[in-house]
Order: sequence, then C-alpha cells, then structure tokens
Amino acid sequence: GESVGLHLPTLSVQEGDNSIINCAYSNSASDYFIWYKQESGKGPQFIIDIRSNMDKRQGQRVTVLLNKTVKHLSLQIAATQPGDSAVYFCAENLVNTDKLIFGTGTRLQVFP
Amino acid sequence: EPEVTQTPSHQVTQMGQEVILRCVPISNHLYFYWYRQILGQKVEFLVSFYNNEISEKSEIFDDQFSVERPDGSNFTLKIRSTKLEDSAMYFCASSEEGQGNEQFFGPGTRLTVL
Repeated sequence: GESVGLHLPTLSVQEGDNSIINCAYSNSASDYFIWYKQESGKGPQFIIDIRSNMDKRQGQRVTVLLNKTVKHLSLQIAATQPGDSAVYFCAENLVNTDKLIFGTGTRLQVFP
Repeated sequence: EPEVTQTPSHQVTQMGQEVILRCVPISNHLYFYWYRQILGQKVEFLVSFYNNEISEKSEIFDDQFSVERPDGSNFTLKIRSTKLEDSAMYFCASSEEGQGNEQFFGPGTRLTVL
C-alpha cells in the first residue's frame, strides 16, 4: 500500500547541535523524495530532494540520505538554529504519477 | 523570487454553500495541484491538472469538487456543497514538469465550514 511514516513525532534539540529527522516509506515504486519544512500557518517549503539513483545529497546545512534497501529517508540539519523550528515532512513521488504522498510530520523544536 | 499565491487566506462558510478557492501558480509552470491538510494531520493530495485537464485525482476529490483554469494565470478549486469535514487548509502547488519535479506550494487557504 501507500504509506510514508515518521518515527519521531517531536524532536527537541539545542541550538548548535545537529538534528536528524527520519522517515520510512513503504512503496518501492517511489523514485523521487522531497523534504518540506512547514512553519505555523504557512505552506510547505521545499528543503531538499533526492532521486532514487542517489544515496546522499547535500545542500546548505542540510543533507538527505536515502537507503533503498530498508526504505528509509533521513534529513540531517547541521548546526540547528532557532529558525529551523518547524514541522518537517517527507514526501514520496511514485513513478508514473504526479502526486506527492506526505508523511505524518516531525516537529523540530530548537532550544537556546 | 516567484511564488504561488492563494486567496483568500481564510474562508468561513455555512454547510451546503459553494466556495471557490483561488490560486495563481508560478507563471512558467505547467502542472498544478491542490492538496489539503486537516488540522494536525498530514498533507493529502486532491488533484493534479495539466494541459487544461485533470491528470489525476484522489478518492477525496469526489463530484463535489471541481478545478478550473479560467484564464492564463488563475487556478481554482470549487466545492459545490461544503460539508463540515471539508474544513481544512487547502494548498495549491505548481511545478515546471510533472513526476519527479519539485512542487512549489502556496501559503494556503484555511476553510472553515460551520
């Protein structure tokens, strides 16, 4: 079936620490994955994406890792800042469909 | 930086009334989407639209829902007879291409059905 789930609903980290947000997906037909950040009252904001032919992709302070063997996706945020506080969603895109399937979200709380 | 815009930001309506939610996608994008998010839940796909027709829709998108691109810039979602359970945030998104491409989301319209 179609499902994308998150292991940790809430993650609390201290400012300056690294954060890791995890996501499990169940559909091996997915070949494109996106991490979105959603701040309160706003729409999802693109953070980083990765295609299934890659294992790792880096952006500015963020890294996405894809483990297709265990169908696991993670988002690593380096030197977490208060502005990183938000809900983070992973989303998968199956081959031959345009729709994104979102996970349930992880709330990241950054403490000073 | 180009962005997706949506109006209104908040819509309150009585059950049974029709509502139209409006979106202006990014100008050079060809694929358009509506998603919804019930409070505290995950974002759910409703419909995708390309080349002036629906390309895909979910089970949620029943006969009460319709989409339209009335001109070269607007993309609308109409709910003909709203129900209490239609209360949610509705997000419009657009992308340059379809599968495997970044979808840019608007700020959303909060629909409250009383």
